[in-house]
Amino acid sequence: RKEVEQDPGPFNVPEGATVAFNCTYSNSASQSFFWYRQDCRKEPKLLMSVYSSGNEDGRFTAQLNRASQYISLLIRDSKLSDSATYLCVVNPYSGSARQLTFGSGTQLTVLP
Amino acid sequence: SQTIHQWPATLVQPVGSPLSLECTVEGTSNPNLYWYRQAAGRGLQLLFYSIGIDQISSEVPQNLSASRPQDRQFILSSKKLLLSDSGFYLCAWSVSGGAGNQPQHFGDGTRLSIL
Repeated sequence: RKEVEQDPGPFNVPEGATVAFNCTYSNSASQSFFWYRQDCRKEPKLLMSVYSSGNEDGRFTAQLNRASQYISLLIRDSKLSDSATYLCVVNPYSGSARQLTFGSGTQLTVLP
Repeated sequence: SQTIHQWPATLVQPVGSPLSLECTVEGTSNPNLYWYRQAAGRGLQLLFYSIGIDQISSEVPQNLSASRPQDRQFILSSKKLLLSDSGFYLCAWSVSGGAGNQPQHFGDGTRLSIL
């Protein structure tokens, strides 16, 4: 089983739609979780950290479900500029500098 | 604020030639440093990470090596490139210490093509 698994998509949604991605992780001892965004042929950029209580940043909401070992990202009122690949990132090595394991990403295309 | 610089942006090299990619971080001390490779349409593969000068951990055995001669400098090298070394190489840094709960921040990447 992969350490971090994501549905690769693609998700094609109309502008203004709400879209949600899930990501599962295998190590129940994982402590830190993040969502990154990667545009085509660009470097990944941190979108948001995921906290145990869930957190929101504008149109983006991240949730953590430790019991089921998954995290989610909800995007409301999708914009054309949201088109990108979204990477689920987990730290399964608590206390280790090795730190993060990246999922393969979910591709989102927002259509006009 | 912290910045990370990575160069060159693109590189075309023949099979069997050497490689040297450089990455430097500014605005922070003793960062953790990372080299990743991303093949076309694939996820990120961690190649090396470093918690300090001359302290390098290798994740994947291959014909690449890494060095950290200065606190904020990380170099990826190869003596003889293979076709399979083609890809998008990314350097990243994170704050050191803590419980490993720090995000990583990436440079712009180097797109390497082997001919």
